[in-house]
Amino acid sequence: KQEVTQIPAALSVPEGENLVLNCSFTDSAIYNLQWFRQDPGKGLTSLLLIQSSQREQTSGRLNASLDKSSGRSTLYIAASQPGDSATYLCAFFNQAGTALIFGKGTTLSVSS
Amino acid sequence: DTAVSQTPKYLVTQMGNDKSIKCEQNLGHDTMYWYKQDSKKFLKIMFSYNNKELIINETVPNRFSPKSPDKAHLNLHINSLELGDSAVYFCASSRAGAHEQYFGPGTRLTVT
Repeated sequence: KQEVTQIPAALSVPEGENLVLNCSFTDSAIYNLQWFRQDPGKGLTSLLLIQSSQREQTSGRLNASLDKSSGRSTLYIAASQPGDSATYLCAFFNQAGTALIFGKGTTLSVSS
Repeated sequence: DTAVSQTPKYLVTQMGNDKSIKCEQNLGHDTMYWYKQDSKKFLKIMFSYNNKELIINETVPNRFSPKSPDKAHLNLHINSLELGDSAVYFCASSRAGAHEQYFGPGTRLTVT
């Protein structure tokens, strides 16, 4: 059974810092994975989708990597801004590819 | 244009009532989902549905039933509401398979 762990649960950084959010999974036979951000009281915004055959994806200041051998994915945020403050969720598709299995998220606070 | 929309945004009701939450997507996707986010912000799949099959998470009580009048809509019906049903319910859609999922803004259900 796939389980997803995100560390740390919360993170506070000053504006301008580069930071890494970690996501680990127990079953290396994963399909694609997706990173989201969730603002308080809002829905989920898709940030990046990494296919299982890929090692990384980039979008603007965001870079997500996938290492199936170590059971980890990381989300790198460059030059953080106060607008990046949100909860970041990683999610893996189940074996059937029919649903996402979510971690509990990392709540990021970027101070100006 | 809103890609995935849900109504209502907030729903407050009493125990024992029956209620519905509507979901519509205009992305042309053929698969839709319902997820539940509990009080600890943990997201969990409830259903996935396309025009071929309904996949039900085994932990979902049979008081919950998805109904799809067409490919663009997947409504969630809940019978005999209980206090523990209070949560935020998210609808999502994607192309069939492990493709990027797009989420609606959520419906906050409060059962009193």
